[in-house]
Amino acid sequence: EIVMTQSPATLSVSPGERATLSCRASQSVSSNLAWYQQKPGQAPRLLIYGASTRATGIPARFSGSGSGTEFTLTISSLQSEDFAVYYCQQYNNWTWTFGQGTKVEIK
Amino acid sequence: EVQLVQSGAEVKKPGESLKISCKGSGYSFTSYWIGWVRQMPGKGLEWMGIIYPGDSDTRYSPSFQGQVTISADKSISTAYLQWSSLKASDTAMYYCARSGSVTTLGTFDIWGQGTMVTVSS
Repeated sequence: EIVMTQSPATLSVSPGERATLSCRASQSVSSNLAWYQQKPGQAPRLLIYGASTRATGIPARFSGSGSGTEFTLTISSLQSEDFAVYYCQQYNNWTWTFGQGTKVEIK
Repeated sequence: EVQLVQSGAEVKKPGESLKISCKGSGYSFTSYWIGWVRQMPGKGLEWMGIIYPGDSDTRYSPSFQGQVTISADKSISTAYLQWSSLKASDTAMYYCARSGSVTTLGTFDIWGQGTMVTVSS
């Protein structure tokens, strides 16, 4: 099983600042990497797939990069609605796995 | 509107059986995969398995193989997740989610609202 490790566990950021979240795979997943946002009491929402392609309706302040084993989600200027938990997920083969999540909180 | 609507919350006792549902609408139900994702209280997301309603091709995460059964009835655009004998450790929120075509297979673009399953004696 491919293990996805996210860092940091919690990120404290002021509104308007940039947030950088990391995700590492235990083996190469090529570009088969997605990012999701989950707010309390809500289902997750797809933000990024293919490591860098924004899903439909996702604002341009969200961007993804990386390939192989190292990936990054960047939120260029945090808005109040962006404070949430973010998960990465690999889908390189039929055993898909999520990272443990990064909570982005207000500083 | 494309949506997945899940059945309501369940409270069960250990050893009981359960089948929860996920109904798709607003798109061709037989052309997309439907996956199931577990979220235990206060924890992260775990992929359980996935089914292609068009031909009922089903794949399971090794962690859930043999523990649950995923099925679908394409005539009513509904996917199911079932347990034959629940355990307290099955207490969790369960989400169904749609997965895309060949290039995006594995990503979940539409999610149900979740079904909370509580197993307690």
